[in-house]
Amino acid sequence: AQSVTQLDSHVSVSEGTPVLLRCNYSSSYSPSLFWYVQHPNKGLQLLLKYTSAATLVKGINGFEAEFKKSETSFHLTKPSAHMSDAAEYFCVVSHSFGNTPLVFGKGTRLSVIA
Amino acid sequence: GAVVSQHPSRVICKSGTSVKIECRSLDFQATTMFWYRQFPKQSLMLMATSNEGSKATYEQGVEKDKFLINHASLTLSTLTVTSAHPEDSSFYICSARDRRVSGSIPNTEAFFGQGTRLTVV
Repeated sequence: AQSVTQLDSHVSVSEGTPVLLRCNYSSSYSPSLFWYVQHPNKGLQLLLKYTSAATLVKGINGFEAEFKKSETSFHLTKPSAHMSDAAEYFCVVSHSFGNTPLVFGKGTRLSVIA
Repeated sequence: GAVVSQHPSRVICKSGTSVKIECRSLDFQATTMFWYRQFPKQSLMLMATSNEGSKATYEQGVEKDKFLINHASLTLSTLTVTSAHPEDSSFYICSARDRRVSGSIPNTEAFFGQGTRLTVV
Protein backbone atom coordinates (compact mmCIF):
# COMPACT_ATOMS: atom_id res chain seq x y z
CA ALA A 1 0.00 0.00 0.00
CA GLN A 2 1.11 3.54 -0.63
CA SER A 3 0.33 6.78 1.12
CA VAL A 4 1.48 10.34 1.23
CA THR A 5 1.48 12.81 4.11
CA GLN A 6 1.83 16.49 3.46
CA LEU A 7 2.79 17.90 6.80
CA ASP A 8 1.40 21.41 6.33
CA SER A 9 -2.03 22.27 5.02
CA HIS A 10 -1.07 25.92 4.56
CA VAL A 11 2.28 27.66 4.17
CA SER A 12 2.68 31.40 3.96
CA VAL A 13 5.92 33.08 2.84
CA SER A 14 7.01 36.54 1.84
CA GLU A 15 7.92 37.22 -1.76
CA GLY A 16 11.61 36.60 -2.33
CA THR A 17 12.03 34.22 0.61
CA PRO A 18 12.58 30.46 0.38
CA VAL A 19 9.76 27.97 0.07
CA LEU A 20 9.67 24.57 1.79
CA LEU A 21 6.70 22.25 1.35
CA ARG A 22 7.09 19.00 3.24
CA CYS A 23 6.07 15.54 2.12
CA ASN A 24 6.59 12.09 3.59
CA TYR A 25 5.62 8.92 1.80
CA SER A 26 5.01 5.28 2.52
CA SER A 27 5.38 2.63 -0.15
CA SER A 28 5.79 -1.13 -0.22
CA TYR A 29 7.54 -0.93 -3.56
CA SER A 30 10.09 1.25 -5.25
CA PRO A 31 8.08 4.43 -5.59
CA SER A 32 7.76 7.14 -8.14
CA LEU A 33 7.16 10.52 -6.55
CA PHE A 34 5.72 13.66 -8.06
CA TRP A 35 4.83 17.19 -7.18
CA TYR A 36 1.88 18.76 -8.96
CA VAL A 37 0.62 22.32 -8.73
CA GLN A 38 -2.97 23.44 -9.13
CA HIS A 39 -3.91 27.08 -9.56
CA PRO A 40 -7.46 28.12 -8.62
CA ASN A 41 -10.09 26.54 -10.86
CA LYS A 42 -7.40 25.01 -13.05
CA GLY A 43 -6.17 21.51 -13.79
CA LEU A 44 -2.97 19.96 -12.55
CA GLN A 45 0.51 20.75 -13.78
CA LEU A 46 3.52 18.57 -13.15
CA LEU A 47 6.34 20.40 -11.38
CA LEU A 48 8.80 17.56 -11.13
CA LYS A 49 9.12 13.82 -10.72
CA TYR A 50 11.44 11.26 -9.16
CA THR A 51 11.64 7.88 -10.86
CA SER A 52 14.71 6.19 -9.29
CA ALA A 53 17.32 8.21 -11.14
CA ALA A 54 19.01 11.22 -9.49
CA THR A 55 17.80 11.87 -5.95
CA LEU A 56 17.87 15.65 -6.40
CA VAL A 57 15.25 16.50 -8.95
CA LYS A 58 14.94 19.87 -10.65
CA GLY A 59 11.60 20.95 -11.97
CA ILE A 60 9.96 23.87 -13.66
CA ASN A 61 9.78 27.44 -12.34
CA GLY A 62 12.84 27.01 -10.12
CA PHE A 63 11.40 24.25 -7.93
CA GLU A 64 13.38 21.23 -6.86
CA ALA A 65 12.91 18.28 -4.54
CA GLU A 66 15.22 15.77 -2.92
CA PHE A 67 14.34 12.11 -2.48
CA LYS A 68 15.61 10.86 0.88
CA LYS A 69 14.93 7.17 1.27
CA SER A 70 16.22 7.03 4.85
CA GLU A 71 13.73 9.71 5.86
CA THR A 72 11.00 8.63 3.40
CA SER A 73 10.72 12.26 2.42
CA PHE A 74 10.37 14.21 -0.79
CA HIS A 75 10.25 17.86 0.25
CA LEU A 76 9.71 20.59 -2.34
CA THR A 77 11.85 23.72 -2.22
CA LYS A 78 12.39 26.94 -4.08
CA PRO A 79 15.04 29.54 -3.20
CA SER A 80 12.90 32.60 -3.81
CA ALA A 81 9.12 32.75 -3.91
CA HIS A 82 7.21 34.70 -6.54
CA MET A 83 3.65 35.95 -6.27
CA SER A 84 2.72 33.63 -9.13
CA ASP A 85 3.72 30.62 -7.00
CA ALA A 86 0.61 31.00 -4.86
CA ALA A 87 -1.38 27.83 -5.51
CA GLU A 88 -2.21 24.39 -4.15
CA TYR A 89 0.60 21.84 -4.24
CA PHE A 90 0.13 18.09 -4.18
CA CYS A 91 2.73 15.47 -3.36
CA VAL A 92 1.94 12.23 -5.14
CA VAL A 93 3.26 8.67 -4.93
CA SER A 94 2.88 5.77 -7.28
CA HIS A 95 4.33 2.38 -7.98
CA SER A 96 7.14 2.79 -10.50
CA PHE A 97 5.88 0.09 -12.80
CA GLY A 98 2.55 -0.82 -14.18
CA ASN A 99 -0.61 1.07 -14.77
CA THR A 100 -1.33 1.94 -11.17
CA PRO A 101 -3.10 5.13 -10.14
CA LEU A 102 -1.47 7.99 -8.36
CA VAL A 103 -2.08 8.50 -4.65
CA PHE A 104 -2.41 12.13 -3.69
CA GLY A 105 -1.53 13.91 -0.49
CA LYS A 106 -4.10 16.28 0.96
CA GLY A 107 -2.35 19.25 -0.54
CA THR A 108 -0.55 22.33 0.80
CA ARG A 109 -1.84 25.76 0.01
CA LEU A 110 1.01 28.18 -0.57
CA SER A 111 0.36 31.86 0.00
CA VAL A 112 2.92 34.46 -1.06
CA ILE A 113 2.81 37.83 0.65
CA ALA A 114 4.06 40.92 -1.13
CA GLY B 1 4.99 16.10 -23.59
CA ALA B 2 1.94 13.94 -23.88
CA VAL B 3 -1.45 15.63 -23.84
CA VAL B 4 -4.71 14.57 -22.28
CA SER B 5 -7.76 16.52 -23.36
CA GLN B 6 -10.88 16.60 -21.21
CA HIS B 7 -14.21 17.99 -22.33
CA PRO B 8 -16.27 19.88 -21.32
CA SER B 9 -14.38 22.13 -18.93
CA ARG B 10 -17.58 23.36 -17.30
CA VAL B 11 -21.11 22.04 -17.31
CA ILE B 12 -24.27 23.02 -15.52
CA CYS B 13 -27.12 20.55 -15.56
CA LYS B 14 -30.50 20.09 -13.96
CA SER B 15 -31.02 17.62 -11.20
CA GLY B 16 -32.04 14.24 -12.59
CA THR B 17 -30.29 14.57 -15.92
CA SER B 18 -27.13 12.80 -17.07
CA VAL B 19 -23.81 14.34 -18.03
CA LYS B 20 -21.02 12.77 -20.10
CA ILE B 21 -17.38 13.81 -19.68
CA GLU B 22 -14.79 12.79 -22.26
CA CYS B 23 -11.11 12.17 -21.71
CA ARG B 24 -8.80 11.73 -24.69
CA SER B 25 -5.11 10.98 -24.91
CA LEU B 26 -4.02 12.98 -27.94
CA ASP B 27 -0.58 11.66 -28.78
CA PHE B 28 -0.20 8.37 -26.97
CA GLN B 29 -2.18 5.24 -26.31
CA ALA B 30 -3.55 4.76 -22.84
CA THR B 31 -4.72 1.27 -22.00
CA THR B 32 -5.61 2.60 -18.58
CA MET B 33 -7.10 5.91 -17.55
CA PHE B 34 -8.07 7.12 -14.11
CA TRP B 35 -10.95 9.25 -12.96
CA TYR B 36 -10.59 11.46 -9.90
CA ARG B 37 -12.98 13.68 -8.03
CA GLN B 38 -12.03 16.78 -6.11
CA PHE B 39 -14.29 18.52 -3.64
CA PRO B 40 -13.64 22.21 -2.87
CA LYS B 41 -10.40 22.76 -1.01
CA GLN B 42 -9.72 19.04 -0.83
CA SER B 43 -7.38 16.61 -2.50
CA LEU B 44 -8.07 14.37 -5.45
CA MET B 45 -9.78 11.11 -4.66
CA LEU B 46 -9.56 8.22 -7.08
CA MET B 47 -13.00 7.15 -8.24
CA ALA B 48 -12.23 4.41 -10.71
CA THR B 49 -9.71 2.90 -13.06
CA SER B 50 -10.83 2.69 -16.65
CA ASN B 51 -9.47 -0.26 -18.63
CA GLU B 52 -9.66 -0.33 -22.40
CA GLY B 53 -11.94 -3.09 -23.60
CA SER B 54 -13.01 -4.25 -20.16
CA LYS B 55 -15.00 -3.15 -17.15
CA ALA B 56 -13.82 -0.33 -14.99
CA THR B 57 -12.57 -0.94 -11.48
CA TYR B 58 -14.31 1.24 -8.93
CA GLU B 59 -12.98 2.38 -5.59
CA GLN B 60 -14.87 1.52 -2.46
CA GLY B 61 -17.87 3.74 -1.93
CA VAL B 62 -18.19 4.82 -5.58
CA GLU B 63 -21.48 3.76 -7.15
CA LYS B 64 -20.74 2.09 -10.46
CA ASP B 65 -24.33 2.47 -11.64
CA LYS B 66 -24.21 6.18 -11.03
CA PHE B 67 -20.78 6.85 -12.50
CA LEU B 68 -20.68 4.92 -15.76
CA ILE B 69 -17.26 4.54 -17.33
CA ASN B 70 -16.64 3.43 -20.88
CA HIS B 71 -13.17 2.94 -22.36
CA ALA B 72 -13.95 1.86 -25.89
CA SER B 73 -10.64 2.77 -27.50
CA LEU B 74 -7.01 3.29 -26.58
CA THR B 75 -7.43 7.06 -26.66
CA LEU B 76 -10.87 7.71 -25.21
CA SER B 77 -12.54 7.14 -21.86
CA THR B 78 -15.88 8.62 -20.87
CA LEU B 79 -17.46 9.19 -17.48
CA THR B 80 -21.23 9.58 -17.38
CA VAL B 81 -22.82 10.93 -14.23
CA THR B 82 -26.34 9.51 -14.33
CA SER B 83 -29.36 11.07 -12.65
CA ALA B 84 -27.18 13.83 -11.29
CA HIS B 85 -27.96 15.43 -7.94
CA PRO B 86 -26.58 18.61 -6.36
CA GLU B 87 -24.24 16.54 -4.18
CA ASP B 88 -22.56 15.31 -7.37
CA SER B 89 -21.37 18.85 -8.04
CA SER B 90 -17.60 18.63 -8.03
CA PHE B 91 -14.43 18.92 -10.07
CA TYR B 92 -13.76 15.75 -12.06
CA ILE B 93 -10.30 15.07 -13.51
CA CYS B 94 -9.07 12.25 -15.69
CA SER B 95 -5.52 11.10 -16.13
CA ALA B 96 -3.57 8.62 -18.18
CA ARG B 97 -0.11 7.24 -17.71
CA ASP B 98 2.30 7.25 -20.57
CA ARG B 99 4.13 3.96 -20.49
CA ARG B 100 6.67 4.70 -23.17
CA VAL B 101 10.00 3.25 -22.17
CA SER B 102 13.14 5.33 -21.91
CA GLY B 103 16.05 2.94 -21.61
CA SER B 104 15.25 0.53 -18.83
CA ILE B 105 13.22 2.97 -16.78
CA PRO B 106 9.60 3.26 -17.73
CA ASN B 107 8.25 6.73 -18.04
CA THR B 108 5.69 6.68 -15.30
CA GLU B 109 4.54 10.26 -15.54
CA ALA B 110 0.79 10.74 -15.47
CA PHE B 111 -0.85 13.40 -17.57
CA PHE B 112 -4.01 15.08 -16.48
CA GLY B 113 -6.92 16.52 -18.34
CA GLN B 114 -7.93 20.09 -17.65
CA GLY B 115 -10.76 18.96 -15.41
CA THR B 116 -14.52 19.37 -15.61
CA ARG B 117 -16.41 21.49 -13.13
CA LEU B 118 -19.86 20.00 -12.79
CA THR B 119 -22.63 22.01 -11.18
CA VAL B 120 -25.98 20.33 -10.66
CA VAL B 121 -28.86 22.72 -9.98
